[in-house]
Amino acid sequence: GQQLNQSPQSMFIQEGEDVSMNCTSSSIFNTWLWYKQEPGEGPVLLIALYKAGELTSNGRLTAQFGITRKDSFLNISASIPSDVGIYFCAGQAWDSWGKLQFGAGTQVVVTP
Amino acid sequence: GAVVSQHPSRVICKSGTSVKIECRSLDFQATTMFWYRQFPKQSLMLMATSNEGSKATYEQGVEKDKFLINHASLTLSTLTVTSAHPEDSSFYICSARDGTFYEQYFGPGTRLTVT
Repeated sequence: GQQLNQSPQSMFIQEGEDVSMNCTSSSIFNTWLWYKQEPGEGPVLLIALYKAGELTSNGRLTAQFGITRKDSFLNISASIPSDVGIYFCAGQAWDSWGKLQFGAGTQVVVTP
Repeated sequence: GAVVSQHPSRVICKSGTSVKIECRSLDFQATTMFWYRQFPKQSLMLMATSNEGSKATYEQGVEKDKFLINHASLTLSTLTVTSAHPEDSSFYICSARDGTFYEQYFGPGTRLTVT
């Protein structure tokens, strides 16, 4: 299916630094989801957003549902080595019958 | 949190044989489950949508006679890869949609290798 525009494609950061990634779409979504995937495993849901402008935190993770409903960002504060993985954004439109559109993913590498 | 299991986690089969992959939602009922395929270093590609008690809906380009989907109950969906060939080798992942909150939870994936 169609993909969202997710950037950056990859990030190489030092432990303790903050990480920021975002997704944009030409379509309006009613739900934004952020997932983390580690090698050989399925994606794990990190944060779900349901309202435009909503800002939600999960530990060191913070995500926001853009006001235009066409974008979302995810921040990771004070990164640690276990933050390594690929982060995917996913958007769900109201008329999609639950289907998600995925971004291409942001690979995060954290060095000690 | 919501848990989705997949079985088997890895399977190796010979060309021409069929393989069945199970997806179960362990602690919630999922009226809708989705099957994805993922190639190395790529995003997830939706193959089909599976609704309990009805026929699956396949994405364009996905052969429904090759990838048989059965959603037998609110907690179980199966994907059968029929007459598998080496090009079917991939990572197959299912997800289950929580009907209350509309969040999707993914299984751990199944690595299929066809020799």
